[in-house]
Order: sequence, then C-alpha cells, then structure tokens
Amino acid sequence: KNEVEQSPQNLTAQEGEFITINCSYSVGISALHWLQQHPGGGIVSLFMLSSGKKKHGRLIATINIQEKHSSLHITASHPRDSAVYICAVEETSGSRLTFGEGTQLTVNP
Amino acid sequence: DAGITQSPRYKITETGRQVTLMCHQTWSHSYMFWYRQDLGHGLRLIYYSAAADITDKGEVPDGYVVSRSKTENFPLTLESATRSQTSVYFCASSEWGGGVNEQYFGPGTRLTVT
Repeated sequence: KNEVEQSPQNLTAQEGEFITINCSYSVGISALHWLQQHPGGGIVSLFMLSSGKKKHGRLIATINIQEKHSSLHITASHPRDSAVYICAVEETSGSRLTFGEGTQLTVNP
Repeated sequence: DAGITQSPRYKITETGRQVTLMCHQTWSHSYMFWYRQDLGHGLRLIYYSAAADITDKGEVPDGYVVSRSKTENFPLTLESATRSQTSVYFCASSEWGGGVNEQYFGPGTRLTVT
C-alpha cells in the first residue's frame, strides 16, 4: 500500500462543475503539498499546508491532520484546469517528499 | 534566465552508455532533488542534496550517481544506462528542507534508453 493515496485516478468534468480530489496518507507528516502538472509536463506547486485551509483564486485546499486526509477543490472549473494534480507529503521523520500517483483531471467545455 | 533549468530536454541513448543530465538553478537554493516519473508510480526521489558537497540517497538510487561541487548545479549521471531507466527526470530545488518550503521543478528531461 502506498503511503500516499489519491482518488480518483481519473476525473472528467463539464466546465463550471465543482471538483474535489482527495488525498489520504498513512504516516505522520509535517506538511502536505498539492502540485499541478501541465499537459506539457511542467510541475508547479499550488499549495503547501500543515493545518486548516488555504485558498488561491478558484482553488481551495484543506487538510485534516487527525484523519490524515486532504482535499483539493476547484470551483467553477474551466478547461484550462485540465492537468494532473499531485499530492505529496513530508514525513515528520525527514525532509523528503513522498508523492501520490496523481489525478488526471479533464474539464470539457 | 532566472529559475531552474534542465538539459537536455530529450535524450535517446543506448544500453550501456553513460549519460549525464544537467540541472542548474539561479536562486542559490540549498536543497536540490532528482526525481523520476514513470507510469503507475508517483514521482520517486533518486538523490537529493542539502548543500554543496552533501548528497544523500533517495528511494531509487541504484544505477545513478550525483555530485554537487557548486550550489547551483546538480548533475545526475547514469553510469551504464539500462532500459529500466527510460523515464522522465525532474530536478527540483528548495530554499531549505523540502517539506517546509515550496519545491520548484525544472521542465524535465525525457530519457529513452534503447
């Protein structure tokens, strides 16, 4: 079993829909990251959080440390949101990141 | 240009050849990382470096060698390439340790070993 599990693996939505991607992890962590990988391959960091909730534009990330779970929400989705979304955690025992396999999101117009 | 760059962006090589992938960052970040990305796996850490002349193994280090003589460069060498090393390789950097600081990723190098 992977230390970081994402669901769903693939998600197709219509433009305007509210989207949720989930991430569960099995180890103690000091921080959780959400990353976006564009169709061209580039990877950018969206959020880094250790508690609560963060919001940037139409993106919202939440984390529940007790339940070892995080969610990434996209409101009013748009085709340009189509990408792979990756969850990664830093264990409290080290400074390295462990990554989930990613969620492929496709938003159709 | 400022940022983190990788070269080459695409490489095809033959089994048994030595290959070096270059990574350069202009922020003077202390930490640098090499990952590989394969279908069915998340990004996996190959090696990382906390500072010049300090390197450490990650999850999948076998068959790879790294060095860091200068803060800004972190080359990754495949000493004798194998088909299983066909992958997309990403370099990343962060100011301090990866978890409490954002990691910045290079554009990736797509390596094919024939």
